[in-house]
Amino acid sequence: QKEVEQNSGPLSVPEGAIASLNCTYSDRVSQSFFWYRQYSGKSPELIMSIYSNGDKEDGRFTAQLNKASQYVSLLIRDSQPSDSATYLCAVRKGGGADGLTFGKGTHLIIQP
Amino acid sequence: SAVISQKPSRDICQRGTSLTIQCQVDSQVTMMFWYRQQPGQSLTLIATANQGSEATYESGFVIDKFPISRPNLTFSTLTVSNMSPEDSSIYLCSVVWGGGDEQYFGPGTRLTVT
Repeated sequence: QKEVEQNSGPLSVPEGAIASLNCTYSDRVSQSFFWYRQYSGKSPELIMSIYSNGDKEDGRFTAQLNKASQYVSLLIRDSQPSDSATYLCAVRKGGGADGLTFGKGTHLIIQP
Repeated sequence: SAVISQKPSRDICQRGTSLTIQCQVDSQVTMMFWYRQQPGQSLTLIATANQGSEATYESGFVIDKFPISRPNLTFSTLTVSNMSPEDSSIYLCSVVWGGGDEQYFGPGTRLTVT
């Protein structure tokens, strides 16, 4: 079983709609969860972090965490063509001294 | 936020040679990490670069192949030794600074081994 799983896509969403990206993880002791955006040929850019169950909103982005279900999601409201990228889910087992385990990423395409 | 730079940005190397990649940050950071992103794949953690002591390597990565230095709080190097085509990847450093625990990535080094 892979540690962090994401649907590779591509996920195609019309401009202005809500894009929903999902991620599951296998290790129940995981404490911290991150979403990164990666444009082709660029390095990952941190979008959001989430540490406790529930929703966390930042602008057009909402991260959702359900530790009981071992599930993390990212919602992008009012999707724009510039949101087209690969979205990486990352999980950390411990504190800030630990590295991240990444999923393979979901390729998101926003159709104008 | 800190500015992270990596040198070189890209390189083409012959098999059997070694390449040292530098990661420089413009402010002191608490943690530095090295990742690899193979073509079409996600990121894999190579090691944690510990300041003033030996790096902590992940399973599957060894010091002889990927020696790492971190002489101070703003600089680290990763060497890819005795390279083979399988080492062709993007190598990225990431940092954690201040009181936070979020990781921020440098621009990466694209390595091609022929």
